[in-house]
Amino acid sequence: SYDLTQPPSVSVSPGQTATITCSGHKLEDMFVCWYQQKAGQSPELVVYQDTKRPLGIPERFSGSNSGNTATLTISGTQAMDEADYYCQAWDSSTVIFGGGTTLTVL
Amino acid sequence: QVQLQESGPGLVKPSETLSLTCTVSDGSITTYHWSWVRQPPGKGLEWIAHIFHSGITNYNPSLRSRATISLDTSRSQISLELKSVTAADTAVYYCARRHFGSGFSLDVWGRGTTVTVSS
Repeated sequence: SYDLTQPPSVSVSPGQTATITCSGHKLEDMFVCWYQQKAGQSPELVVYQDTKRPLGIPERFSGSNSGNTATLTISGTQAMDEADYYCQAWDSSTVIFGGGTTLTVL
Repeated sequence: QVQLQESGPGLVKPSETLSLTCTVSDGSITTYHWSWVRQPPGKGLEWIAHIFHSGITNYNPSLRSRATISLDTSRSQISLELKSVTAADTAVYYCARRHFGSGFSLDVWGRGTTVTVSS
């Protein structure tokens, strides 16, 4: 089975750049998306097709995917960005989620 | 904006069958494709199943033998049945809409329904 690996936690200071990685074998061959889940809420799509933002998602959220690693970057991180983040890909008609990364804004 | 509303029994006994429904508010059930995703308490997201508006289905290999996803277009509902449940099936269950375009992403989610498996 295909696995996506994320760091369990990332910390960032307000205003700085947060980087969350998602690793998988030849991940660049798949489209990756990212979800934000705040405490007690449903997940929300923040990046799809590696780099695209849904309507209403701030420009500070960006994505990339190269080699074996996809990356979610949050520029100028705000306190409201504190949440769990999940990467997700689709392989052989199966949806795979990463284990999730807790972003703490200190 | 479309809304998804999950509903379920709340509490299910071990070995029984869990039945959930998701109601789509705007009648777009025949236009989009749909998934069920669950999240055990304090844990990450787990994809369960997906159904295309044509009725074609895909399942998480680890749940394929127990799960059935279906559409009821007359009621604008997506259903999920999970047989022979155990405590490990305790989770918040979400339905979600697949975003149009390449790849696979879920752009609209319901609020989720909590299911507890306990005798």
